[in-house]
Amino acid sequence: DPKIIQKPKYLVAVTGSEKILICEQYLGHNAMYWYRQSAKKPLEFMFSYSYQKLMDNQTASSRFQPQSSKKNHLDLQITALKPDDSATYFCASSPRTEGTEVFFGKGTRLTVV
Amino acid sequence: GEQVEQRPPHLSVREGDSAVITCTYTDPNSYYFFWYKQEPGASLQLLMKVFSSTEINEGQGFTVLLNKKDKRLSLNLTAAHPGDSAAYFCAVSANTNAYKVIFGKGTHLHVLP
Repeated sequence: DPKIIQKPKYLVAVTGSEKILICEQYLGHNAMYWYRQSAKKPLEFMFSYSYQKLMDNQTASSRFQPQSSKKNHLDLQITALKPDDSATYFCASSPRTEGTEVFFGKGTRLTVV
Repeated sequence: GEQVEQRPPHLSVREGDSAVITCTYTDPNSYYFFWYKQEPGASLQLLMKVFSSTEINEGQGFTVLLNKKDKRLSLNLTAAHPGDSAAYFCAVSANTNAYKVIFGKGTHLHVLP
């Protein structure tokens, strides 16, 4: 059973619209992340959260907003979508322990038309 | 910030040959190193994690070498087989910020039968 659940698996959106990518993890981890993977920028770090607090933000655009309603949830809201936002978005998590690896979800493939 | 360069971006080898993928990093505080494997259409799976204190690590069918002086991490697949065909990513995190794991751009390995 997948321990990091991302929904939906595939998503097609119209330019200018808003979408929310869902992520829940059942590994008991306290740190969660978003990464983006596209042909132009393979596996780009976006955000890290620990205990529902933002730890690091490498995304220049405020159109990307993480939302954490529970410790094991980290959704990603994207507003004013552009075709360049088309990518696979991976949610990940890790224990709040130095040196442990990051565990990845299966990703949401977003296509903006 | 940390910069991770991974080479080569694409690699084709024949079955039974070795394949070497190399990453260089810039942050002298880098302490934790990871190799991930991503099969087509799938998420990233951890292959091996390496701590700064260990220079040689052996897995099943591969060896990871860490050269701290040159800030270089390499993955050597010995006797590659078609099942090894995938994208491989190195990843680095520092002991000053364990939440931020930076990935290389990946190497697409194709093992020809």
